[in-house]
Amino acid sequence: SQQGEEDPQALSIQEGENATMNCSYKTSINNLQWYRQNSGRGLVHLILIRSNEREKHSGRLRVTLDTSKKSSSLLITASRAADTASYFCATVETGANNLFFGTGTRLTVIP
Amino acid sequence: EPEVTQTPSHQVTQMGQEVILRCVPISNHLYFYWYRQILGQKVEFLVSFYNNEISEKSEIFDDQFSVERPDGSNFTLKIRSTKLEDSAMYFCASRGDALSYNEQFFGPGTRLTVL
Repeated sequence: SQQGEEDPQALSIQEGENATMNCSYKTSINNLQWYRQNSGRGLVHLILIRSNEREKHSGRLRVTLDTSKKSSSLLITASRAADTASYFCATVETGANNLFFGTGTRLTVIP
Repeated sequence: EPEVTQTPSHQVTQMGQEVILRCVPISNHLYFYWYRQILGQKVEFLVSFYNNEISEKSEIFDDQFSVERPDGSNFTLKIRSTKLEDSAMYFCASRGDALSYNEQFFGPGTRLTVL
């Protein structure tokens, strides 16, 4: 089954710096999505990248996908204290429609 | 903006009791999901539901679990006899159509505590 692994598990940066989080997966996917979760709260969808796309931007977010390496990265530029949260990648396997989530990266942005 | 809602936000129950977690998906959506997240762990898929029947389920979704869409708006998850290890956040999600390119919209979750 699909197992997403993310690194780093935790990341602490200063406000204004960029944060990069990585995700790896094991099987063939239809698309990969990134979600954000504030402590103890629900999941907020950030961005979706399809298997035939290599890069996507949304505001301060930049996502890349390398299907040959089965990996994705999420870059948050010019981070803010309000970006402090856990970030999860989630994949939709080819032929399926449910999400398989990664282990998450806990991002702390220090003001 | 339409959103998925869940009730209650927090449910405390005794081991062995039945619980029903409720979700109201976005009104024109067709696909419904339940996920759970044990504290400190990743979000895990439980079940998906389409056209009034289960379309996929994970190994976690055993005979103790059931889902139902009793009317045109609610989507429920029932745990028949709760165990301590059922303590987790339970998230409902919905999606509009068959295109798996489209995102799933998540509710805020129900925190279930089994004592």
